[in-house]
Amino acid sequence: EPEVTQTPSHQVTQMGQEVILRCVPISNHLYFYWYRQILGQKVEFLVSFYNNEISEKSEIFDDQFSVERPDGSNFTLKIRSTKLEDSAMYFCASRGGVADTQYFGPGTRLTVL
Amino acid sequence: AQRVTQPEKLLSVFKGAPVELKCNYSYSGSPELFWYVQYSRQRLQLLLRHISRESIKGFTADLNKGETSFHLKKPFAQEEDSAMYYCALSGLAGNMLTFGGGTRLMVKP
Repeated sequence: EPEVTQTPSHQVTQMGQEVILRCVPISNHLYFYWYRQILGQKVEFLVSFYNNEISEKSEIFDDQFSVERPDGSNFTLKIRSTKLEDSAMYFCASRGGVADTQYFGPGTRLTVL
Repeated sequence: AQRVTQPEKLLSVFKGAPVELKCNYSYSGSPELFWYVQYSRQRLQLLLRHISRESIKGFTADLNKGETSFHLKKPFAQEEDSAMYYCALSGLAGNMLTFGGGTRLMVKP
């Protein structure tokens, strides 16, 4: 069964550095999402992406964040200048197919020091 | 604004006991409700959605619009049901999911 994949599984970075989190959605899906979960807190929506543009974004998704689908397979989340409070688990999801529900990747744990 | 509340952070039951994981929501329109499960060291997986009205792994959930609830139930818990369970809401089909805080279910032998 096809799955959403994410790399890396764990990223450690210094405050102020840029990070790029990568996701490979399920191949025939057209809708893509990023969520995050700070330790001990809820899973929170960041952004959704369809037809090469952002379709929805939350208040968390400020100018420090950007998303891109640079080729036909990858979907990336960039954080320009990381802050301590960006430390969280970041989940990618894609939606499509017959079931038309969101399928989640395993997550990338981002630690900002 | 849409909100999902799962009042219990932890629910501990013995194997064979009935289980009910509570979920309440607030949304002004007609939401779509989901239950996701996360087993240890695994990804979030869809367990069931209200429009399917199906039973998965013995779990069922009924949308009660009057009480704005979508509780997850299973008559006889199994040890392999131990996991984190998240209730989630989508305001429009396929749009962003709003999650509850999750309930950790522990099924003891």
